[in-house]
Amino acid sequence: DAKTTQPPSMDCAEGRAANLPCNHSTISGNEYVYWYRQIHSQGPQYIIHGLKNNETNEMASLIITEDRKSSTLILPHATLRDTAVYYCIDAAGGTSYGKLTFGQGTILTVHP
Amino acid sequence: EAQVTQNPRYLITVTGKKLTVTCSQNMNHEYMSWYRQDPGLGLRQIYYSMNVEVTDKGDVPEGYKVSRKEKRNFPLILESPSPNQTSLYFCASSQGLANNEQFFGPGTRLTVL
Repeated sequence: DAKTTQPPSMDCAEGRAANLPCNHSTISGNEYVYWYRQIHSQGPQYIIHGLKNNETNEMASLIITEDRKSSTLILPHATLRDTAVYYCIDAAGGTSYGKLTFGQGTILTVHP
Repeated sequence: EAQVTQNPRYLITVTGKKLTVTCSQNMNHEYMSWYRQDPGLGLRQIYYSMNVEVTDKGDVPEGYKVSRKEKRNFPLILESPSPNQTSLYFCASSQGLANNEQFFGPGTRLTVL
């Protein structure tokens, strides 16, 4: 079972920032926070990941709280093409062998 | 272009007829895995491979086989498909085991009648 908790759905206006929350109540010290998204029934697409510090790349920003129990994915200027299911995942290497345990995710709908 | 390819993309078959779904990556990745996706159940890992000739079971391995004879290929074999294996299948690869993004293939939609 997925170890993270996300709202089932969110809406966002095109051009505005989309802030997607995630709770990681059971995250352990060696687990990273990953975010993926899936558009329609395409293969999931990696967005960003982090351990403790906030991260930013060309797609998004990731904010991780100091206790690491929650994170927020920020899409700074959402477009219609960002409509997708977004998954936050706690994953470790080593014994978990890179397995990603997907939950139900958040359906983000970007409106014109 | 770095990518994971799967074939076929769509397949309709009948119960008991052996089939193979191929997966190939051109990124020289060590780690490869197979997932299935079903409504309400999300994506679940079937098998994974950490390198050539090294494979292991994921969460739902029953009814499936895999092999890893070459680094780039990781076929999924259904020896005797059953209707409960009707699903959307994804292959994924990554450079290592930890702290790496996984690249997913486009998916194979399988229907077993």
